[in-house]
Amino acid sequence: AQSVTQLDSHVSVSEGTPVLLRCNYSSSYSPSLFWYVQHPNKGLQLLLKYTSAATLVKGINGFEAEFKKSETSFHLTKPSAHMSDAAEYFCVVKPNYGQNFVFGPGTRLSVLP
Amino acid sequence: DSGVTQTPKHLITATGQRVTLRCSPRSGDLSVYWYQQSLDQGLQFLIQYYNGEERAKGNILERFSAQQFPDLHSELNLSSLELGDSALYFCASSVEGKYEQYFGPGTRLTVT
Repeated sequence: AQSVTQLDSHVSVSEGTPVLLRCNYSSSYSPSLFWYVQHPNKGLQLLLKYTSAATLVKGINGFEAEFKKSETSFHLTKPSAHMSDAAEYFCVVKPNYGQNFVFGPGTRLSVLP
Repeated sequence: DSGVTQTPKHLITATGQRVTLRCSPRSGDLSVYWYQQSLDQGLQFLIQYYNGEERAKGNILERFSAQQFPDLHSELNLSSLELGDSALYFCASSVEGKYEQYFGPGTRLTVT
């Protein structure tokens, strides 16, 4: 079965400093991978996706993620955090042979002024 | 705004009751997915419909059912409600050939 691990349940950064949210997945095949963001009392918004093209993926709002097959990782980064980035972030894997999304437990990002 | 709409936004009901949640996918999307988000279980996939047919089933209880209508909107029916069914219920849609899903704003269900 597929699984997704988000290594930190909560990350706190200062505004203007880099953001790193870690994600590892288990998969026997090359999956499709996604990052979604959920602001308080809102639905989930797609940040970026990896679907076996370039390993460095750029998303919206300055976020990017790098797919590393050897490490089964798909960490999310942003060079400079903004207050509006404070939200819950979910790493998601979609196995190529199945239909279902598997969500990680989420990482809550706090941005301090 | 993802283009996926869900109604109602909030629902408060009592144990043992039945409720219906409604979802309209983005224009042109044939697939609709339902998810449950709770504090203890996180985000769980419930069920997927594609063009009116059930395509995949996840952790959906027997007390729950769904359907997708010819106009592609979908309804999730929850019956014999229990306190533990209190959660956020999300609908998502996707277009054929693309894996990414677009989520609605959710329906917050509170069972008292």
